[in-house]
Amino acid sequence: GAVVSQHPSWVICKSGTSVKIECRSLDFQATTMFWYRQFPKQSLMLMATSNEGSKATYEQGVEKDKFLINHASLTLSTLTVTSAHPEDSSFYICSARHRGQETQYFGPGTRLLVL
Amino acid sequence: DQQVKQNSPSLSVQEGRISILNCDYTNSMFDYFLWYKKYPAEGPTFLISISSIKDKNEDGRFTVFLNKSAKHLSLHIVPSQPGDSAVYFCAARPESVSGGGADGLTFGKGTHLIIQP
Repeated sequence: GAVVSQHPSWVICKSGTSVKIECRSLDFQATTMFWYRQFPKQSLMLMATSNEGSKATYEQGVEKDKFLINHASLTLSTLTVTSAHPEDSSFYICSARHRGQETQYFGPGTRLLVL
Repeated sequence: DQQVKQNSPSLSVQEGRISILNCDYTNSMFDYFLWYKKYPAEGPTFLISISSIKDKNEDGRFTVFLNKSAKHLSLHIVPSQPGDSAVYFCAARPESVSGGGADGLTFGKGTHLIIQP
């Protein structure tokens, strides 16, 4: 149980384009989903928290207009990197948690490379 | 300002011995702690957690100890196995799951555990 998937696992795009990453909880209802980013040899950094049906809460320094998050259902959240630039190249990981539960379960991550 | 610190970037342990991974935190509001294991290019896998009302939690070969007064926790793996070789992240979060505030995890930088045969 507690499986979280992400799609795509790899994406390469040109600078200026937008990229959408999907995060799905496969066997539980995720009332809260989180998006993290990890740069090489760094820790996972929380970008935003999204609760189903409401607007995402962004961490300080994360541009909400650049990183659009939608959590329209209890099993799906999407992160759209708009007008991507090379500095947005990173490993993006989502996690999901059911209401009342403490543990976050992570997806396998999406590696984004912006050329 | 790193609120969760894992001061050992790497640790090498012989197979069969005990692996001890350490983690320190500075935010006194943290009251729930988790350990995750991560392989390259994969998401973290949950291992074990502990609430601040406890000082020990055990699950099979994995035991987490929490010393709240010292703001220190450790993960013990015994006996260590080759498959345990991975990066281990300590993570923490403040209280109030249902409080409505941002309650994502704060991660340390990880410790790369290498189990030698």
